[in-house]
Amino acid sequence: DIVMTQSPDSLAVSLGERATINCKSSQSVFYSSNNKNYLAWYQQRPGQPPKLLIYWASTRESGVPDRFSGSGSGTDFTLTISSLQAEDVAVYYCQQYYTTPPTFGQGTKVEIK
Amino acid sequence: EVQLVESGGGLVQPGGSLRLSCATSGFTFSNYAMSWVRQAPGKGLECVSGISGSGGSTYYADSVKGRFTISRDNSKNTLNLQMNSLRAEDTAIYYCAKVVYEYCFDYWGQGTLVTVSS
Repeated sequence: DIVMTQSPDSLAVSLGERATINCKSSQSVFYSSNNKNYLAWYQQRPGQPPKLLIYWASTRESGVPDRFSGSGSGTDFTLTISSLQAEDVAVYYCQQYYTTPPTFGQGTKVEIK
Repeated sequence: EVQLVESGGGLVQPGGSLRLSCATSGFTFSNYAMSWVRQAPGKGLECVSGISGSGGSTYYADSVKGRFTISRDNSKNTLNLQMNSLRAEDTAIYYCAKVVYEYCFDYWGQGTLVTVSS
């Protein structure tokens, strides 16, 4: 299975400031035949199921605010929250879907400083 | 509106069995692969099993292979997970999730708690 490793495990950011979460896969999740990275990001608020934010590494799911953006390719990816809002307090997970079973990173907890 | 509602969780002794179900509505069930994703208390996410829209293709995480069986009834829009030989480490919230974009999960149920303990 592909191992996904996120950093940091947690971070505290002031309201309105930028939050950056990194995700590294143990092998490339880029499929050259369609030029796509099989990488998604999820947000999980306390007591809630996860919510899909980003797929194909950088495509925002419908309804997701544009302060959320994804970047990267191959084995290294980043989720950026450009201006942290109170409702963004959550745990964020990256997930590869290049192979089955899909695998998740361990999660990054985002809090308000 | 897409809805996924899990049921069947509960307390079971080690070595016991449980059958989880996920009732779905709001989309053409047979057109989509589905998965079960679990989350141990205070821990991260693990995709334990998935099944194609037709039911002809399945996968399992190594941690549950040979003990869990995923199935679906497209006539009833229902996803199932038969869990046998349960272990303490299977204790988790089990989520039913709809697959999109080649194995992302765009809709999730609220989950059902499985506790394996004597």
